Amino acid sequence: SQTIHQWPATLVQPVGSPLSLECTVEGTSNPNLYWYRQAAGRGLQLLFYSVGIGQISSEVPQNLSASRPQDRQFILSSKKLLLSDSGFYLCAWSASKGYTFGSGTRLTVV
Amino acid sequence: KQEVTQIPAALSVPEGENLVLNCSFTDSAIYNLQWFRQDPGKGLTSLLLIQSSQREQTSGRLNASLDKSSGRSTLYIAASQPGDSATYLCAVGPLNQAGTALIFGKGTTLSVSS
Repeated sequence: SQTIHQWPATLVQPVGSPLSLECTVEGTSNPNLYWYRQAAGRGLQLLFYSVGIGQISSEVPQNLSASRPQDRQFILSSKKLLLSDSGFYLCAWSASKGYTFGSGTRLTVV
Repeated sequence: KQEVTQIPAALSVPEGENLVLNCSFTDSAIYNLQWFRQDPGKGLTSLLLIQSSQREQTSGRLNASLDKSSGRSTLYIAASQPGDSATYLCAVGPLNQAGTALIFGKGTTLSVSS
């Protein structure tokens, strides 16, 4: 069966510090992968998606970047966090049965 | 640009009631529509997926319908229970862009009292 792992579950980081969130998928090959952010009152916003290794599409200009070093690994990064980067970050993958989301990372930038 | 709207934003009902959550989208050229449930502080759990060629899907007490011509979907919950309390999100996938991302509404927060 397919599963998606996302960590850490919660993270508190100071302004200006780097960020690395990791997402891995098991039980499938060549998945489409996505990073979403959910901020209070704003709904789910697509940040990045990837249809293959090294292929990243960015939906919004921002302080974040994404990479896909392996088929089933998707990483969200920042060199210097801003207060506005706080939010709930969700990784997802898609297949014919729809989209499956990870359990999310709650990021608080202080 | 596709936009997804969910009405109402919040809903409170007593246990046992049947209820309907509404979702509308501006561009009827969609690949699929998916309903999710989100509990506070948690990720999204998929409830129902409707492909563009389908008109409805059912799972237990849940029934979702899709009318592409009017740009609407409804999620019907029968005999609501306190455990149904959560935020329900509707999302659409653009047509001819299979593999690109879902576009979400802001959700309906449901509270079922015992």
